[in-house]
Amino acid sequence: EVQLVQSGTEVKKPGESLKISCKGSGYTFTTYWIGWVRQMPGQGLEWMGIIYPGDSDTRYSPSFQGQVTISADKSVDSAYLQWSSLKASDSAMYYCARRSSSWTIDSWGQGTLVTVSS
Amino acid sequence: QSALTQPRSVSGSPGQSVTISCTGTSSDLGRYNYVSWYQQHPDKAPKFMIYDVNKRPSGVPDRFSGSKSGDTASLTISGLQAEDEADYYCCSYAGSYTWVFGGGTKLTVL
Repeated sequence: EVQLVQSGTEVKKPGESLKISCKGSGYTFTTYWIGWVRQMPGQGLEWMGIIYPGDSDTRYSPSFQGQVTISADKSVDSAYLQWSSLKASDSAMYYCARRSSSWTIDSWGQGTLVTVSS
Repeated sequence: QSALTQPRSVSGSPGQSVTISCTGTSSDLGRYNYVSWYQQHPDKAPKFMIYDVNKRPSGVPDRFSGSKSGDTASLTISGLQAEDEADYYCCSYAGSYTWVFGGGTKLTVL
């Protein structure tokens, strides 16, 4: 069974850095792209970007380019989403999700809630 | 990349059918047959319901079906059940390793 397990809830202050994780299991992690999706409180889903763990090829949505960094460590079957300086507007639920063999997003992590508040 | 357009809400009674529309452009939904649909219950992760316009992953009831015409895709849920009450999101591949989601539709089962 494909599983994506994300790191836990984070509460941070503006200006702090953060790295959240997504660990894959039940499939060959290095051969499927992993994407990140933001869901702000009471809002819809927004595509942030995607990485191929096999070679760390990364593509960003123009809306998130320069705002976050997506990375992966294939030795531990994990992908990451990172901020260098958080803002209150980064408060949201963040999901990792796997691109299937088609051009479709199939499996989702359980989400990581990030709250940024002074 | 603008979000795909979905109605904010739809409703139906148990046993009835409802259809949720999803409108994009000729650059995304109209160009690719990679439309997917997700069901999201409150405080839960999205669940994969339909892919490649009209295919159902294993385990999804055949009450759920998808279609597409031009720049508009649709999700139809027949034989509505109380547990179908949720938010539904469409998604389309938009090229260059970018995906675009709809704004979401809240389904209420009356």
